[in-house]
Amino acid sequence: QQQVKQSPQSLIVQKGGISIINCAYENTAFDYFPWYQQFPGKGPALLIAIRPDVSEKKEGRFTISFNKSAKQFSLHIMDSQPGDSATYFCAAGGKLIFGQGTELSVKP
Amino acid sequence: GAGVSQSPSNKVTEKGKDVELRCDPISGHTALYWYRQSLGQGLEFLIYFQGNSAPDKSGLPSDRFSAERTGGSVSTLTIQRTQQEDSAVYLCASSHDRGFYNEQFFGPGTRLTVL
Repeated sequence: QQQVKQSPQSLIVQKGGISIINCAYENTAFDYFPWYQQFPGKGPALLIAIRPDVSEKKEGRFTISFNKSAKQFSLHIMDSQPGDSATYFCAAGGKLIFGQGTELSVKP
Repeated sequence: GAGVSQSPSNKVTEKGKDVELRCDPISGHTALYWYRQSLGQGLEFLIYFQGNSAPDKSGLPSDRFSAERTGGSVSTLTIQRTQQEDSAVYLCASSHDRGFYNEQFFGPGTRLTVL
């Protein structure tokens, strides 16, 4: 009941395209859903986060879509850029349970 | 300002040896967390400190793992009698307030290799 499942494991997108990463959780008590971005050799950094009282949150090119009934949430990166190439982790809960990560590569 | 720092950045040790990993959180952050990141895996929670107390140490994988925090600041994660399966990147994070709902700021990690 504590798992967070993330997909895909890796993603290749052309510059200017839309990157979509999906996560599913099991524990309905979770009420905080952040996304972290990690570059090689660095620690993860908070990218954007959402609470379950809203269905969508947008910050610049990054949008979280949240479906409470399906217990799913996703990260959309619009107009993807090579500088977005990194590993992305979703997380859920108060004590964060992290997904397995998605390695995103944006090709020029 | 300074972020979370960790030392050493890399540690290679032999099986059976003890290792100590250090974390210096952001000044003023009362909460401190340790995670383990294995190759191709997500971040595995190990332990959470609030001040010098550890109200949640449920993620420590065995009694070979221990951690302490002194002065509400620096924390040390100790792994005794290291095993090859302990090889991973150990990440430390800190946050402002008590509880888990505040943004966690991560350090760069310590890459541990057990030969």
